[in-house]
Amino acid sequence: DGGITQSPKYLFRKEGQNVTLSCEQNLNHDAMYWYRQDPGQGLRLIYYSQIVNDFQKGDIAEGYSVSREKKESFPLTVTSAQKNPTAFYLCASSIRANYGYTFGSGTRLTVV
Amino acid sequence: QKEVEQNSGPLSVPEGAIASLNCTYSDRGSQSFFWYRQYSGKSPELIMFIYSNGDKEDGRFTAQLNKASQYVSLLIRDSQPSDSATYLCAVNQNQGGKLIFGQGTELSVKP
Repeated sequence: DGGITQSPKYLFRKEGQNVTLSCEQNLNHDAMYWYRQDPGQGLRLIYYSQIVNDFQKGDIAEGYSVSREKKESFPLTVTSAQKNPTAFYLCASSIRANYGYTFGSGTRLTVV
Repeated sequence: QKEVEQNSGPLSVPEGAIASLNCTYSDRGSQSFFWYRQYSGKSPELIMFIYSNGDKEDGRFTAQLNKASQYVSLLIRDSQPSDSATYLCAVNQNQGGKLIFGQGTELSVKP
């Protein structure tokens, strides 16, 4: 079955550490997105990519980095520069820009 | 003015009633409109999309679009407790290549 897979489901980060969240899709979608969601809040866009080897900053890119070396994969690194990284991170893909998104199941990141 | 606005709620309706969720948007060039349902602790799932003015029905759900007034709504008929969730409105950004999400409306259906 086609889908979008995020791993891990839960992740704990120590202060000063970089961590990488995985996002893989086998839907043959061109576009991929990373969102952050804080409790009781809406979705805030971190980065997005419409084609391989190209990506754009979203509204809250500071402290995050991404790569898009393969169509199927769009990993997100939360760097030590992100001062408040505890949140629910959602990856999404769409067949192309402006089409409906399919979301992964999310990664819940906690700083310990 | 936010690009996509929704009342945060909570909207409380009794079981069996019609729940009406509203969304307004600012980009007149937007062409695609989506409703997502998000259960607590879970990821959003797409339940409706609409591209043309008027109504689109799918089971108990009806999406309504009025581009002249820049609003889109979602009606849920015969509301069930299992419909209790946060509903996110999303609108395509005409020149930006991505969807803009509202803050979401929390719906509570009381038995």
